[in-house]
Amino acid sequence: KNQVEQSPQSLIILEGKNCTLQCNYTVSPFSNLRWYKQDTGRGPVSLTIMTFSENTKSNGRYTATLDADTKQSSLHITASQLSDSASYICVAPQGGSYIPTFGRGTSLIVHP
Amino acid sequence: NAGVTQTPKFQVLKTGQSMTLQCAQDMNHEYMSWYRQDPGMGLRLIHYSVGAGITDQGEVPNGYNVSRSTTEDFPLRLLSAAPSQTSVYFCASSQTGAEYNEQFFGPGTRLTVL
Repeated sequence: KNQVEQSPQSLIILEGKNCTLQCNYTVSPFSNLRWYKQDTGRGPVSLTIMTFSENTKSNGRYTATLDADTKQSSLHITASQLSDSASYICVAPQGGSYIPTFGRGTSLIVHP
Repeated sequence: NAGVTQTPKFQVLKTGQSMTLQCAQDMNHEYMSWYRQDPGMGLRLIHYSVGAGITDQGEVPNGYNVSRSTTEDFPLRLLSAAPSQTSVYFCASSQTGAEYNEQFFGPGTRLTVL
């Protein structure tokens, strides 16, 4: 069964600090892994996509990594801001399938 | 571009009532989909469409119907609402159904069934 597990479930950090969110997947065949940010009361918005051949990709203060051998991805947030408070969702669609597998998300709260 | 729009934003139904959640996109996307999001669970696919006139079931289709008569619109119908359908519903679209395409989500509809 395809699964995407995220950790931690929730995280509280102080503004300006860094943090790392984890995503483990068992989707087969693997195609890509995408990270979404979901602000409270809104729909998810894509942050970045990682394909099989990519190890690291940055989008501003967000850096995603992918280790296809261990089937793990991480999202690192540098110098956190209050606006980073959101749920971060990892998605790994099964190759050739129209049905993606979503993780349950990590709820991040950034305190001033 | 308005992107993906959904109406209504909030809805309260009584058990057994029917209703239609509206979804529209103005990006000429082929692929559209409906998800439900429940506390502590990931987004789950209800139904999807790869183009006008073509729809298929996702993971949790029971109790829901869809149709796709135009590229722009993809309404979701609840036939006989049940408390288990209390959830937040998101419509999404992407250029095609290819798994590498980014999905663009609407703002969601919060549905409560009493």
